[in-house]
Amino acid sequence: SQTIHQWPATLVQPVGSPLSLECTVEGTSNPNLYWYRQAAGRGLQLLFYSVGIGQISSEVPQNLSASRPQDRQFILSSKKLLLSDSGFYLCAWSIARDRVKFQNYGYTFGSGTRLTVV
Amino acid sequence: GDSVTQMEGPVTLSEEAFLTINCTYTATGYPSLFWYVQYPGEGLQLLLKATKADDKGSNKGFEATYRKETTSFHLEKGSVQVSDSAVYFCALSAAGNQFYFGTGTSLTVIP
Repeated sequence: SQTIHQWPATLVQPVGSPLSLECTVEGTSNPNLYWYRQAAGRGLQLLFYSVGIGQISSEVPQNLSASRPQDRQFILSSKKLLLSDSGFYLCAWSIARDRVKFQNYGYTFGSGTRLTVV
Repeated sequence: GDSVTQMEGPVTLSEEAFLTINCTYTATGYPSLFWYVQYPGEGLQLLLKATKADDKGSNKGFEATYRKETTSFHLEKGSVQVSDSAVYFCALSAAGNQFYFGTGTSLTVIP
């Protein structure tokens, strides 16, 4: 069965420090991978998605970047965190490229990382 | 473009009350529709889905029917429990690789 792992679960970082959040998927190949952010009391904001190794699409220009060094690994990074980067970050995966299957199966989310920038 | 409009919360109900959370959508083509649930401090979990018009998704006592004529996918449960307290997200998936989420509705069930 497929599983998705996301870590760390919580993180407190000072302003200006770097960030690296990691997400890995097991039990599938060629997944679509996604990073979402959920600010306090607000909905989900798609940050990045990837349809393959080294392929990153950015939805919102900001202080963050994403990389996909391996097929089932998705990394969210920042060189210098801002206070506004605080939030709940969620990684997700879906079956790739087959539109019918994608529509039927939906996303599977990781358990999230709560980031507090102080 | 594709979008989802979801009933704003927060919603507070007494245990065993009837729940409805409204969700309407705008989409080109024939989207699939989903409800996700997020329990406190956790990620999102798929609650139920429907992939074509008139389909009814159901899980854990929750139901939602895909109504093409009213472009709606309202979530219902006949008798809520304290353990149902969570944030509920409506979502759609049309062509392409993305989902479109509603803003979420927070539900609190009091004993």
